[in-house]
Amino acid sequence: GAGVSQSPSNKVTEKGKDVELRCDPISGHTALYWYRQSLGQGLEFLIYFQGNSAPDKSGLPSDRFSAERTGGSVSTLTIQRTQQEDSAVYLCASSPFGGGRQETQYFGPGTRLLVL
Amino acid sequence: GDSVTQMEGPVTLSEEAFLTINCTYTATGYPSLFWYVQYPGEGLQLLLKATKADDKGSNKGFEATYRKETTSFHLEKGSVQVSDSAVYFCALSAYTGGGNKLTFGTGTQLKVEL
Repeated sequence: GAGVSQSPSNKVTEKGKDVELRCDPISGHTALYWYRQSLGQGLEFLIYFQGNSAPDKSGLPSDRFSAERTGGSVSTLTIQRTQQEDSAVYLCASSPFGGGRQETQYFGPGTRLLVL
Repeated sequence: GDSVTQMEGPVTLSEEAFLTINCTYTATGYPSLFWYVQYPGEGLQLLLKATKADDKGSNKGFEATYRKETTSFHLEKGSVQVSDSAVYFCALSAYTGGGNKLTFGTGTQLKVEL
């Protein structure tokens, strides 16, 4: 079946612009995660959605970052007033339930963001 | 907080050599442990996992045993191939009711040469 998809695959933007990154999780998966992979910070958790519950935003690095998940499926990560340090690969993952530590997360191919 | 430490890379081996990538962790709860792999130009994919002490995860000839007493989850393979060249990430998940977020190590790049 289809895996996690993300778009765009690459995004180049100018400092100060806003960007939107999209994630389509595996159909039926209730949990959705965003991570960031950067040279300086490695792989780090950003935000987590579980069904209709309030998201866990504890990993968002600043208030310029926000995310939403519509209809319990597609998610959009928005970065406002981008800075050069936002340059990274943004990864989305989904899992069937999100309710247990043993659950496998399935990752998308990522969106490579470059802020000039 | 939770953390994962894995050996620095890159690790360069000849084909058919034995591989060990060390991974140790610190967690406040009782975590599950994972190895993810990222092949060149591809996304992260699960290689293997273990959810309780003394469990052994295995896949594609790779193995790792959950050692609670040493807080370790070292990755091993008896005979590596060129196709194993990739970046390997050790990770833990310690569900605390607020989510099943993964904490990753910094990754270890493996290069296998003929």
